[in-house]
Amino acid sequence: EVQLVQSGAEVKKPGESLKISCKGSGYSFTSYWIGWVRQMPGKGLEWMGIIYPGDSDTRYSPSFQGQVTISADKSISTAYLQWSSLKASDTAMYYCARHEVGMVYMDVWGKGTTVTVSS
Amino acid sequence: QSVLTQPPSASGTPGQRVTISCSGSSSNIGSNTVNWYQQLPGTAPKLLIYSNNQRPSGVPDRFSGSKSGTSASLAISGLQSEDEADYYCAAWDDSLKGGVFGGGTKLTVL
Repeated sequence: EVQLVQSGAEVKKPGESLKISCKGSGYSFTSYWIGWVRQMPGKGLEWMGIIYPGDSDTRYSPSFQGQVTISADKSISTAYLQWSSLKASDTAMYYCARHEVGMVYMDVWGKGTTVTVSS
Repeated sequence: QSVLTQPPSASGTPGQRVTISCSGSSSNIGSNTVNWYQQLPGTAPKLLIYSNNQRPSGVPDRFSGSKSGTSASLAISGLQSEDEADYYCAAWDDSLKGGVFGGGTKLTVL
């Protein structure tokens, strides 16, 4: 079964760092892009960026460039989304999904990771 | 403010046909394919329509998509209570060099 398994919910304080993960299985992890999508509480979906685990080619939305870092470790079929200094406004659900470049075709989704940033 | 524009809400009664619009520009819908996602309450989004009008395996043929110029539409016929969800359009944007979503449309089945 093709699936993406995301890491568990996180509760952090402003200024802390965080790295969440997305592990793929059931398919060739290095042959598909992985995308990240943010959903703030009660709001819509926002496209953050994508990575190709085969060579770590990464693209970011201008809205998220410099705010987060997307990376991948192909040896363990895992993609990551990380923050160096969290803000309260980073509180959201974050989804990873298998993605095609050049189109927003996301056919397999993780269940999401809730990130709560509060003092 | 989303790059793709959708109506915030839509509604219909069981059995009816409803359409949801998605308006963009020449850099996104005008030059790339449109995909639609369904998000049921408390769950991850699900790919509903891809490449403007193609249904993934398992998606009922009650759901259909179309595109014309810089706009796209999702149609749901034979509306059912389980169709009550949020629907999002999405497309690649050549100017932004990345993906963009519509703001989402909340569908209510009356």
